[in-house]
This record gives sequence, C-alpha cells and structure tokens, in this order.
Amino acid sequence: SSELTQDPAVSVALGQTVRITCQGDSLRSYYANWYQQKPGQAPILVIYGKNNRPSGIPDRFSGSSSGNTGSLTITGAQAEDEADYYCNSRDSSGDHPWVFGGGTKLTVL
Amino acid sequence: QLQLQESGPGLVKPSETLSLTCTVSGGSISSNIYQWGWIRQPPGKGLEWIGSIYHSGSTYYNPSLKSRVTISVDTSKNHFSLKLSSVTAADTAVYYCARHSTVFPFDYWGQGTLVTVSS
Repeated sequence: SSELTQDPAVSVALGQTVRITCQGDSLRSYYANWYQQKPGQAPILVIYGKNNRPSGIPDRFSGSSSGNTGSLTITGAQAEDEADYYCNSRDSSGDHPWVFGGGTKLTVL
Repeated sequence: QLQLQESGPGLVKPSETLSLTCTVSGGSISSNIYQWGWIRQPPGKGLEWIGSIYHSGSTYYNPSLKSRVTISVDTSKNHFSLKLSSVTAADTAVYYCARHSTVFPFDYWGQGTLVTVSS
C-alpha cells in the first residue's frame, strides 16, 4: 500500500502564513484531505477534495496540490490553530483503501 | 446533527478479541451514499485506518490488519461493529468510528474510546 509523508513538526509566528505538506504516490491520483486534531479530541476535517472547507471551518484554511504533493495553507495563523494536522487520501493500489500521513505538529509562536 | 458513539470494553487481554460497537444517531446508517469506518490511534502516535463497511455489509480492510479484522453492520440497530482478533500490546489505541463516502472523507467522528491490551 502507499504511504503519505509529512514533516513531524512545523512552527509559525502568530498572524503569519504556514504551509504543511504531504507527499505520496497516491496523491498523483487523489487529492489530500486534511484533519486538525487537538489534544484529547477527535480529528476534525478542515479541507477536502481540491480545496473545499466543511461548514464552520475558517477561510484562512486552504488546500492545494501539485504532482505527488498536497498542501494545507493557513493564512494568518491564530493561536487556536496550534494542533496536529493529518493528511489522508485513497490509496491508488488494490481495493483503494484509505491511508493517513504520520501527522505534523503545528506550533504557533 | 449526526452523532457517532463508540462503546465496548476498555481492557482486553493479549491473544483475545477486541470488540467495539459504534452507534449512529441523528441519521440512518442505511444511506446509499455513506460508508462507515474504524480508525485507531496508538498513544502519542498517528492515525491508522482499520477498515470500512457499506450498509449492505460489503467491507474493505487495511491490508496490514485484514487477517485479524471483521467489521459488521446491524441496520436495525443503526450501529456497526469492529472485531480485532489475537490482540497484542501493539493494538492498544484510541479507536474511532467515522462516516465517509467514496468521494467525501471522514467528516463525522465519534469521540473515540481507549482500548488497552494488557493482562
């Protein structure tokens, strides 16, 4: 099965822009979806598909894709954005199961 | 508002079978659009998809767990279940249930339940 690779940790100054990336062969066929997870809580979907936000997700969150890389951009990061972020997509092999990246810990300075 | 709630034992002995149920409220599990999945997260680690089921009962699993996993659905009770056999300490994790579709990813999640494998 395919794997999705994320940087373990990223930091951003309050109010600045940060990009979190996700690499994997499956992203040549499928868009990356993005989840935010805060300590002790279930993940929340923040971006799905080409660049779609579920209801209630601030518009400072956006997604993009190029080749085998998907990206989540937070424009004007807020303190409450400090969390773990996970990408996921369908796997382009076999029965097309789902795969998750290893997660990126975002620190807002 | 759709809600999912996991339930089951919080402690399982090594080599035994882990059994969890996810009860869906505020919506029907029999929707033709959605599938129902299990995801787990070992303490301090990332998310791992375990498997998913359609309301018809058709399933597909993570290849790395396929030999030990069974997911079933009971539409009359609006719930679906996970069984993971021959557990070891490596199966200790928070187990989540979630809704998704072929097109849309996991948009509604349960709160998660910690299952510890220990004698």
